[in-house]
This record gives sequence, C-alpha cells and structure tokens, in this order.
Amino acid sequence: GDSVTQTEGQVALSEEDFLTIHCNYSASGYPALFWYVQYPGEGPQFLFRASRDKEKGSSRGFEATYDKGTTSFHLRKASVQESDSAVYYCALGDRTNTGKLTFGDGTVLTVKP
Amino acid sequence: GGIITQTPKFLIGQEGQKLTLKCQQNFNHDTMYWYRQDSGKGLRLIYYSITENDLQKGDLSEGYDASREKKSSFSLTVTSAQKNEMAVFLCASSIAGGRQNTLYFGAGTRLSVL
Repeated sequence: GDSVTQTEGQVALSEEDFLTIHCNYSASGYPALFWYVQYPGEGPQFLFRASRDKEKGSSRGFEATYDKGTTSFHLRKASVQESDSAVYYCALGDRTNTGKLTFGDGTVLTVKP
Repeated sequence: GGIITQTPKFLIGQEGQKLTLKCQQNFNHDTMYWYRQDSGKGLRLIYYSITENDLQKGDLSEGYDASREKKSSFSLTVTSAQKNEMAVFLCASSIAGGRQNTLYFGAGTRLSVL
C-alpha cells in the first residue's frame, strides 16, 4: 500500500539555522503531497500541498518541491525561529478521491533561541 | 471560519470499558474522519464518513465503532478499552473527497486506560 517515510524523528536547531526534513513516499501515479504542522495541545494544521511533478508548495517561509524522480517532498526553511518548534507531518493523498491522507511518523523540531 | 470541537478533552477509562468520543464541526463539511495518534507514530485512520449516515473503515478500525447521524457530528466508540492504552484521537473534516483535499483537525481527545 501507499506509505510515507520521514527520515528524522527529531531535529534540534538554533534560531536562524537552515531546516531540512526529509520526506519520501511510495505510491503509484501522482498522489497529492502535503505538509502539516502540529503545535502542543492542538491538532495538525495544513501547511501547504503540491500535486504535480516539480510543483513547489510554500507557506510561512517553509517550502517543498514535488519530485517524482526521487519520490520526495522535503521540507525546507532558510532561517528557523523558536516559534517554529512543533511536530511536522508529511502526508500522501488518497488516489480514490475519498480525501483520506496517509501520514508519516512525524518529525519533532526544537529550535533553541 | 469554522471550528471542530472534540469532547471530552481528556478521557480516563477502565480496562474493558466502552468509551465514546464526540466530534462536532460547523464548517458544513461533508466528510469527517477519526485518526489515532500514538507517541512517535504518525496518524492512523480509524473510520471516515463521506456523508451523513455513511461509514467507511480505515486501516485501524478493529476495536472501534463509529456513528454519523448528522452532517455536523461524528462519534467514535472504543468497544473495549485496553489496559495501559494511551493515545490521542483526532477528528477532522473536509469539504468533500478529492486528491487535493485539505483536512481540518480538532484539538484531540487524550485517552488513558488504567
């Protein structure tokens, strides 16, 4: 079945560091790919999505580019802030139009001031 | 904008107990979902409902029942709570199905079983 792999379980950075969280997927065709962010005590929030090869999604300084060749959708941010500390989830859209998402295990980002 | 309200926020149960979690949304969305979140693991789909009175099983449906009697509400029942079980149950909704669908989540119900 479809799956999503996030390589990093935890990432610790200092403010203004560059962030990369790796996301690889396994699915046929061109599934939609998503990033969600979850702050403590809240549910996940939609960050952005992409649905075509080479399409870039972005929001709040975060970005990721859909790469069909490497089946990847890595999250990047040039300069992180302490307020970016959260759990980040990569997700894969369902191809049967039910709207279901398959999530990765999540990456805990901690940014020190 | 809208909101998804999950009740209760915290739920403590006994082993073998039947427990019900409730979710209400005022987005007027057609589709609703229940996901389970375990520490260090991703979100796993338990049940979803495309419209009122519809129920579809997800990957983790065993041990759960669901009910969608109104468009705005979606309930989940843990049929027999397992000892030492700890998880967060997240309810979500979306306008409709579709491959670019955006899900909106509630804040979750945190379950602990003694």
